[in-house]
Amino acid sequence: EADIYQTPRYLVIGTGKKITLECSQTMGHDKMYWYQQDPGMELHLIHYSYGVNSTEKGDLSSESTVSRIRTEHFPLTLESARPSHTSQYLCASSEYGGGYGYTFGSGTRLTVV
Amino acid sequence: DQQVKQNSPSLSVQEGRISILNCDYTNSMFDYFLWYKKYPAEGPTFLISISSIKDKNEDGRFTVFLNKSAKHLSLHIVPSQPGDSAVYFCAASANSGYALNFGKGTSLLVTP
Repeated sequence: EADIYQTPRYLVIGTGKKITLECSQTMGHDKMYWYQQDPGMELHLIHYSYGVNSTEKGDLSSESTVSRIRTEHFPLTLESARPSHTSQYLCASSEYGGGYGYTFGSGTRLTVV
Repeated sequence: DQQVKQNSPSLSVQEGRISILNCDYTNSMFDYFLWYKKYPAEGPTFLISISSIKDKNEDGRFTVFLNKSAKHLSLHIVPSQPGDSAVYFCAASANSGYALNFGKGTSLLVTP
């Protein structure tokens, strides 16, 4: 049973549209992460948060933004989608940090046409 | 710069035999290493981990070996089962509280 939920699972959207990818977890974890993955490539960290009102950019530069107003909710927003944003976006949470492992959501497959 | 490398994109193994998946890393500060398994259209799931103070960790059919001097770790699956067919990601962290760095994954196919 998943304790971290991502919606939508699949999204096809036109260029220039604003989109928000939702991520919620019920485990009370302080640490949450967004990764981006293209087929056959590694997962790239694009954003992370260590608690409410705390957000940081990851190693991979991204035009997306995130917010963390509540512990359980960590949405990712693209103000103006472009075809280069087509990718899979994975949300994860952890109680103590990466060394102790993450719980991942099922991901959102985004296609921008 | 990729710090975690999985140089074999794919591996095919017969059911019942051993599967060995390899991973190399370049950052000597890494001290936590994890393996994740991913099925298509699903998020990765945690499989097994090892810290740098150990050289082996075993959990059922899965064993992870760490060679710090070579900056190399491997995942052994014995015996392999068709349900093990998935993409396996190696991940590492320089501190237990830090985010994970992932490799590109190895696609394992276990044939009957």
